[in-house]
Amino acid sequence: GAVVSQHPSWVICKSGTSVKIECRSLDFQATTMFWYRQFPKQSLMLMATSNEGSKATYEQGVEKDKFLINHASLTLSTLTVTSAHPEDSSFYICSAGRAGRRSEQYFGPGTRLTVT
Amino acid sequence: RKEVEQDPGPFNVPEGATVAFNCTYSNSASQSFFWYRQDCRKEPKLLMSVYSSGNEDGRFTAQLNRASQYISLLIRDSKLSDSATYLCVVIGSGNQFYFGTGTSLTVIP
Repeated sequence: GAVVSQHPSWVICKSGTSVKIECRSLDFQATTMFWYRQFPKQSLMLMATSNEGSKATYEQGVEKDKFLINHASLTLSTLTVTSAHPEDSSFYICSAGRAGRRSEQYFGPGTRLTVT
Repeated sequence: RKEVEQDPGPFNVPEGATVAFNCTYSNSASQSFFWYRQDCRKEPKLLMSVYSSGNEDGRFTAQLNRASQYISLLIRDSKLSDSATYLCVVIGSGNQFYFGTGTSLTVIP
């Protein structure tokens, strides 16, 4: 199956700092990647859709100036949590779909962010 | 109303038991349906797609009822390794993935 990686897998940072999370599709090109957030015992919530070469599409209630998304190539999307606060602590997961097979999503292993 | 609703459980069943999960969705225009499995602190992984005619993969059977807008997952002869959270996923008309909250299953020796 397709492989999607995320880096880092776990990060602890102080309140007010910014954290960048990378999502890479390792063996296929992904024109679209998705960023999700999952709080404990809750479902994955879509934050934004990242489109290669264009601006991301954010879901209602997600601050685009706080969660910066860049999709500069067909294999890499980044999510930057700016000025992180403790309430941003969560499990962030990206997913990518193969071109032409949009109903199949491959998830990265996730990044656990803890803001102190 | 949520796009997708699931009973969070937990379901605690003995090895060898048969267990079934249901999931309802609100948008009748939803296109595709899946069951994903998520282990603790790991990413979701596709378990199986759900087809209108119903489909089976080994001990797992998935069914779709469009009239009542629900999908189901049946696990026969439960194994300890089946312990996980099972997420139902519905793809909306705009190609968006909607996840249920997940149903927690623990298979007991």
